[in-house]
Amino acid sequence: AQSVSQHNHHVILSEAASLELGCNYSYGGTVNLFWYVQYPGQHLQLLLKYFSGDPLVKGIKGFEAEFIKSKFSFNLRKPSVQWSDTAEYFCAVGGGSQGNLIFGKGTKLSVKP
Amino acid sequence: ETGVTQTPRHLVMGMTNKKSLKCEQHLGHNAMYWYKQSAKKPLELMFVYNFKEQTENNSVPSRFSPECPNSSHLFLHLHTLQPEDSALYLCASSQGVLFGDTQYFGPGTRLTVL
Repeated sequence: AQSVSQHNHHVILSEAASLELGCNYSYGGTVNLFWYVQYPGQHLQLLLKYFSGDPLVKGIKGFEAEFIKSKFSFNLRKPSVQWSDTAEYFCAVGGGSQGNLIFGKGTKLSVKP
Repeated sequence: ETGVTQTPRHLVMGMTNKKSLKCEQHLGHNAMYWYKQSAKKPLELMFVYNFKEQTENNSVPSRFSPECPNSSHLFLHLHTLQPEDSALYLCASSQGVLFGDTQYFGPGTRLTVL
């Protein structure tokens, strides 16, 4: 069965610090990988996604993620976080015929001004 | 605003009540989804509809009954719920159910069962 692991439950950073959120998945077939973000009081929205091609994917607001197939990982990065990046971040894997997404438990990011 | 709206945004109900959650998408998508988001747990997929036909029921108790009258509307009928059903219920839509299709989420309905 597919599963997604996000290693950090809560990450606290100061502004301008670099960010890396871990995501590992288990699935033997072709996958598509997503990062969603949920800002306080707002809906889940897509940050970036990987389908194929360049394993380094750039998303909105300066975020990027790298797909490392050998490690079954899709870590999210940002070189310099801002207070407005405070949110919960969800990694998700899509695979199989029905297109269902399997989500990780989420990582809450708090950025101190 | 993602083009997916949900009403009501908040709902408090007793265990013997019957209520319904509504979702509407304005994106011209063909697939719609219900998810349950509980504290400290991953989002749980509940139901998937593709072209109004249910294609996935993720072992959801029968006290949750979905309805999809057309590709733009999705309902979740609630009946004799339990306190542990209190959660945020999210609706999403996508162009199709291919594994590459991005899902767009609504703001959710915060449900409290007393």
